[in-house]
Amino acid sequence: DIQMTQSPSSLSASVGDKVTVTCRASESVSSFLNWYQQKPGQAPKLLIFAASGLQSGVPSRFSGSGSGTDFTLTISSLQPEDFATYFCQQSYSTPFTFGPGTKVDIK
Amino acid sequence: QVQLLQSGGEVKKPGASVKVSCKTSEYTLTAYSIHWVRQAPGEGLECLGRMNPNNGGAHYAQKFQGRVTMTRDTSINTAYLELSSLTSDDTAVYFCATSTLPGDWDPFDIWGQGTMVTVSS
Repeated sequence: DIQMTQSPSSLSASVGDKVTVTCRASESVSSFLNWYQQKPGQAPKLLIFAASGLQSGVPSRFSGSGSGTDFTLTISSLQPEDFATYFCQQSYSTPFTFGPGTKVDIK
Repeated sequence: QVQLLQSGGEVKKPGASVKVSCKTSEYTLTAYSIHWVRQAPGEGLECLGRMNPNNGGAHYAQKFQGRVTMTRDTSINTAYLELSSLTSDDTAVYFCATSTLPGDWDPFDIWGQGTMVTVSS
């Protein structure tokens, strides 16, 4: 199975801050990398697919980049509704594995 | 609009089996793969496997081989996940999910609401 790692595991930030989360795959996943946001008690929500594709309805302050093994999720200006946990996922080979998550909370 | 509606929470004893259902919109099961993902309390997300749309064949994560079965009933638009030989480590919320986006990227854009399975003696 492809192993996914994320850093940091958690971060504290203020509204308006730029936030960057990184994800690394144990082997190349090309651009088959997705990002999800999850809030407590809810199912994950797709934000970014194919490394940089913005899912319909997701605000443009979210962006993704990278290919191969190294990827980045950026939130350009953090909003109150963005405090949540973020997961990366590779959909290159089954089983589709997830990173351990990055919790973004209020500073 | 594709929707996934899961069955209610379950409490099982160690060694038992559990069967979770995921009712879909019409034609969803024959158009899109159905994936099953679980999340233990306070933990991350783990894929159990997927069921293909063309013939209902399933591919399971090696960790769950021999213990997991994914099936479907297209007449009632419902997919099922059955997990046997339960232990406390199987206590988790189980989600069904699918990708309706074009292309081969397979991101999970549609999720069920989740089913809490508690394994306790």
